[in-house]
Amino acid sequence: AQKITQTQPGMFVQEKEAVTLDCTYDTSDPSYGLFWYKQPSSGEMIFLIYQGSYDQQNATEGRYSLNFQKARKSANLVISASQLGDSAMYFCAMREPLTGGGNKLTFGTGTQLKVEL
Amino acid sequence: GAVVSQHPSRVICKSGTSVKIECRSLDFQATTMFWYRQFPKKSLMLMATSNEGSKATYEQGVEKDKFLINHASLTLSTLTVTSAHPEDSSFYICSARDVRDRKSRGYTFGSGTRLTVV
Repeated sequence: AQKITQTQPGMFVQEKEAVTLDCTYDTSDPSYGLFWYKQPSSGEMIFLIYQGSYDQQNATEGRYSLNFQKARKSANLVISASQLGDSAMYFCAMREPLTGGGNKLTFGTGTQLKVEL
Repeated sequence: GAVVSQHPSRVICKSGTSVKIECRSLDFQATTMFWYRQFPKKSLMLMATSNEGSKATYEQGVEKDKFLINHASLTLSTLTVTSAHPEDSSFYICSARDVRDRKSRGYTFGSGTRLTVV
């Protein structure tokens, strides 16, 4: 079963506008972490923002904020004041336990964001 | 912050040969490293978890004899694609865990290796 679901394969936004990228997750573990990464065409994974399951407030990092709705199991990324350089693939990921100890990241299918003039 | 160096960034090899990809943690010791494979426009799929000094743990469906992982030191893990075939062509990316890195919550990624088997 899909643990992380990103339903938007592609999104367009105009420069300077805000955009929301959707992410829903599935876990029965009360302790988990949710991540968003940006992957430009060069391929590197750039960490954007993190939300812990016990965090009381929604995470924010500069122009990035995470709309965390625990009961709905959603962790949407909001990018404010979009810039052309924001055009990239965006992945939502969840930290989940590894069999035998430790944790791993499981990724969603990604959303390709294109910022237009 | 934590830095992970991955080499080579691109490699083209002939079918039947083996290719080694290195993943190094430059300023921290990584007891755990992760190897992912990514097809074009697709998600990152975890191949295996590499623990220093012990055998790697492979995800279901990943051929252990095809993708050899060695984590001989606290700063280096290698992935060797043995007897490569065109279907092994892909983007491979490693990640290392630095528990001191509070900002990214410990998961730092290399820049990836694009493997093309001809």
